[in-house]
Amino acid sequence: GENVEQHPSTLSVQEGDSAVIKCTYSDSASNYFPWYKQELGKRPQLIIDIRSNVGEKKDQRIAVTLNKTAKHFSLHITETQPEDSAVYFCVLWDSNYQLIWGAGTKLIIKP
Amino acid sequence: EAQVTQNPRYLITVTGKKLTVTCSQNMNHEYMSWYRQDPGLGLRQIYYSMNVEVTDKGDVPEGYKVSRKEKRNFPLILESPSPNQTSLYFCASSPRDYNEQFFGPGTRLTVL
Repeated sequence: GENVEQHPSTLSVQEGDSAVIKCTYSDSASNYFPWYKQELGKRPQLIIDIRSNVGEKKDQRIAVTLNKTAKHFSLHITETQPEDSAVYFCVLWDSNYQLIWGAGTKLIIKP
Repeated sequence: EAQVTQNPRYLITVTGKKLTVTCSQNMNHEYMSWYRQDPGLGLRQIYYSMNVEVTDKGDVPEGYKVSRKEKRNFPLILESPSPNQTSLYFCASSPRDYNEQFFGPGTRLTVL
């Protein structure tokens, strides 16, 4: 079945630096790619999403890029802050309306 | 307040004792879903429902049942729980497919 590979599994960056998380997938029919953030002990929450007719989308310090030809999409966080510490998941909705989640990236912001 | 509710939030049970985890949303969402979350594996979809009376298997449906008789409710049933079903379970809903998922607070289940 469809699979999403997410890297890295853990990312430690200095406060103020940028963080990049990358996901690759195999289902070329996928058209919707959201990213979720899960803080410790809480439920996942959507932070940004992108649809296949768009190559890049930004929302303040967060951006997502999508390369449908290469089948990968990435999350970029600039000027990282302590509140960015969390686990981040890439997700895709496959052609059968099923959601496939990456294994997650634990982002650690060092003061 | 628009929300997804789950009950119970915590449950400790024994192998083979049937249980139901309820899920309800008050946002008139079409799509509902159940996930389990295990360390290092992310979230895995158990079952999902595009609308009333329509349900489909996700990645890990074995040992679980669901029903969608009303738009707002989507209970998860474990007919004969086993220890490998010990996990954190989330219910979620979205207005329709290919939209933001809104999550319930989670149910932590332990099967002894």
